[in-house]
Amino acid sequence: SQTIHQWPATLVQPVGSPLSLECTVEGTSNPNLYWYRQAAGRGLQLLFYSVGIGQISSEVPQNLSASRPQDRQFILSSKKLLLSDSGFYLCAWSVGTSEAFFGQGTRLTVV
Amino acid sequence: AQSVTQLGSHVSVSEGALVLLRCNYSSSVPPYLFWYVQYPNQGLQLLLKYTTGATLVKGINGFEAEFKKSETSFHLTKPSAHMSDAAEYFCAVSNYGGSQGNLIFGKGTKLSVKP
Repeated sequence: SQTIHQWPATLVQPVGSPLSLECTVEGTSNPNLYWYRQAAGRGLQLLFYSVGIGQISSEVPQNLSASRPQDRQFILSSKKLLLSDSGFYLCAWSVGTSEAFFGQGTRLTVV
Repeated sequence: AQSVTQLGSHVSVSEGALVLLRCNYSSSVPPYLFWYVQYPNQGLQLLLKYTTGATLVKGINGFEAEFKKSETSFHLTKPSAHMSDAAEYFCAVSNYGGSQGNLIFGKGTKLSVKP
C-alpha cells in the first residue's frame, strides 16, 4: 500500500535561518506531488506542485522554493525564513485522476 | 477562477444530533468536490468526493454530501453526531478532468460535539 512520510513533525527556527522540509512517498510510481501551507487566518493554500522529476509549478510567489530530485521525493526549502513563513506544511500525492492523499504535516514556528 | 465558501467557522452540536456543514463553490467549469477532515496536528483525511454520476455521495464514518448544481452547493451531513466527529472539516474544489490534488479549499469549519 502507499504511504507518505513527512519530517520533521515540528520545527522551531529563527528568522533568517534556512529551511528544508522533506516528503517521500512509497508504494507508487510517478505521483503528482504537492506542498500546501495552512496558516492562521489564511486557510489551506497550494504552494507548489510537481508532475515529474525536476518539474515544479509555483502557485503563490513567496520566500519558498521546492525541488523534486527523485520520483518520490519532494523538498520544500527557504534560504532565509521570515516570520510570515510560520504555519503547518502539508505534503500530498495523487496519481492520475485519483484524489490527493496527505501526510501528517510539519508545524513550523519561526521566531 | 474557482472558490469555496464554508458558512460558519464553528459549529456546535449535541451528541446524537444532526450534523450539517455548509459549502458553496464557484467554478466556471464542472467541478470535482471534496470534503476532508483534519484532527488536531494531523494531516487531512478524505471523507468523500463527487466527480460525476450520482449527486448524493456517501463517505466514511456515516457522512454524506449532495451536489446541487443549481445551488452551487455541496453540504456535508451526518444524521447522528458522535463525540469522535469533533474535528475541522474542509470543503475543496478542483477542475473537472484535472489533477484532483490541485485543490482550492474553503477556510474550514470546526465541529464541536457536546455530550
